[in-house]
Amino acid sequence: EVQLVQSGAEVRRPGESLKISCKASGYSFAETWIGWVRQMPGKGLEWMGLIYPGDSDTRYSPSFQGQVTISVDKSISTAYLQWKTLKASDTAIYYCARHVGTLLLGGWFDPWGQGTLVTVSS
Amino acid sequence: SSELTQDPAVSVALGQTVRITCQGDSLRRYYATWYYQKPGQAPVLVIHGKNNRPSGIPDRFSGSSSGNTASLTITGAQAEDEAVYYCNSRDSGGDHLFLFGAGTKVTVL
Repeated sequence: EVQLVQSGAEVRRPGESLKISCKASGYSFAETWIGWVRQMPGKGLEWMGLIYPGDSDTRYSPSFQGQVTISVDKSISTAYLQWKTLKASDTAIYYCARHVGTLLLGGWFDPWGQGTLVTVSS
Repeated sequence: SSELTQDPAVSVALGQTVRITCQGDSLRRYYATWYYQKPGQAPVLVIHGKNNRPSGIPDRFSGSSSGNTASLTITGAQAEDEAVYYCNSRDSGGDHLFLFGAGTKVTVL
């Protein structure tokens, strides 16, 4: 069974750093793009970026470029989303999702992790 | 432009048919993917490609596309279909790589 299990909820203060994780199992992690999606409170889904674990090729949405860092550790089939300096506006649920198909033709995301709630508040 | 447009909300009587649409220039080149999301849960894949349902998704869900508009149809809506439905596709016109629509809240009456 393909599964993505994300790390637990986090509470941080503005200006602090954070790294959340997404552990994959049940498929060839290195050969499949994995993406991150933000959902702010009461809002819709926003695509943040994705990474190819095989060579760490990373693509960011212009909206998130420079604001977060996506990385992987192939040895433990885990993807990460990292902030150096959190802001209150980073408060959201963050989902990881496996990309299926080819980027050339589009593809789709399945399955999704359960989500990680990040709360940034002073 | 790089966006996918969905109606904010739609309602359907139990057992009736509802069509949810998604419009955007990217849909002229790429298929839409559809997800549903229930409160407090992660999104779930409903339709991908031309009209493909993952295992576990009932056959009352179907997808279609024409020009710049993709549609998700629920034929014989059930109470458990009440959710927010999002469309998603590659971005053919910009740097976003992927786009999501704002979501359509489906209420089953």
